[in-house]
Amino acid sequence: AQTVTQSQPEMSVQEAETVTLSCTYDTSESDYYLFWYKQPPSRQMILVIRQEAYKQQNATENRFSVNFQKAAKSFSLKISDSQLGDAAMYFCAYFSYNTDKLIFGTGTRLQVFP
Amino acid sequence: DARVTQTPRHKVTEMGQEVTMRCQPILGHNTVFWYRQTMMQGLELLAYFRNRAPLDDSGMPKDRFSAEMPDATLATLKIQPSEPRDSAVYFCASGSQRRHNEQFFGPGTRLTVL
Repeated sequence: AQTVTQSQPEMSVQEAETVTLSCTYDTSESDYYLFWYKQPPSRQMILVIRQEAYKQQNATENRFSVNFQKAAKSFSLKISDSQLGDAAMYFCAYFSYNTDKLIFGTGTRLQVFP
Repeated sequence: DARVTQTPRHKVTEMGQEVTMRCQPILGHNTVFWYRQTMMQGLELLAYFRNRAPLDDSGMPKDRFSAEMPDATLATLKIQPSEPRDSAVYFCASGSQRRHNEQFFGPGTRLTVL
């Protein structure tokens, strides 16, 4: 069974600085998707970025980028020029084609200080 | 602006009562997921449907939970009878295989069972 591990329960960053959130996963599958979701205090789950496993190029969405290391089974999220609105829980998620399921990590709470 | 809608947003009920949560997926999405989020267990997949057919409900307590999709625009999750341990936030998400298996989440229903 696939597992997703987020080893940082909490992180903090100063406004305008850069922060990296870690995520590792375990799988025997060769093709899958990886996602980062953001959950602000409103509880709404918001898709931040996705990565297809067969693509070597790291995904980027404005200030958000990933470092996808397939061999190491690592999928970290980098937030550049952090803003107060980035404060939220961030969940890493793995999508399995075999099971059609999205498996979530336990989340990292990000605080942004002015 | 297409989004998943869920009703009610909040529900407080007494133990033993029936609870029904509703979800309207994004038009054109053919998969619908029900998740439960608690502090202790994180995000758990309860059940999901593709093209209105239930594909997996192994995450759901069978004796009291039921999920249905009477038509393409409505998914329901019912708890009967409810128990205090069912208190959680219940999310519905919809997605499409044509959209890279991204899942778009509704705002959630916060359920409190007294």
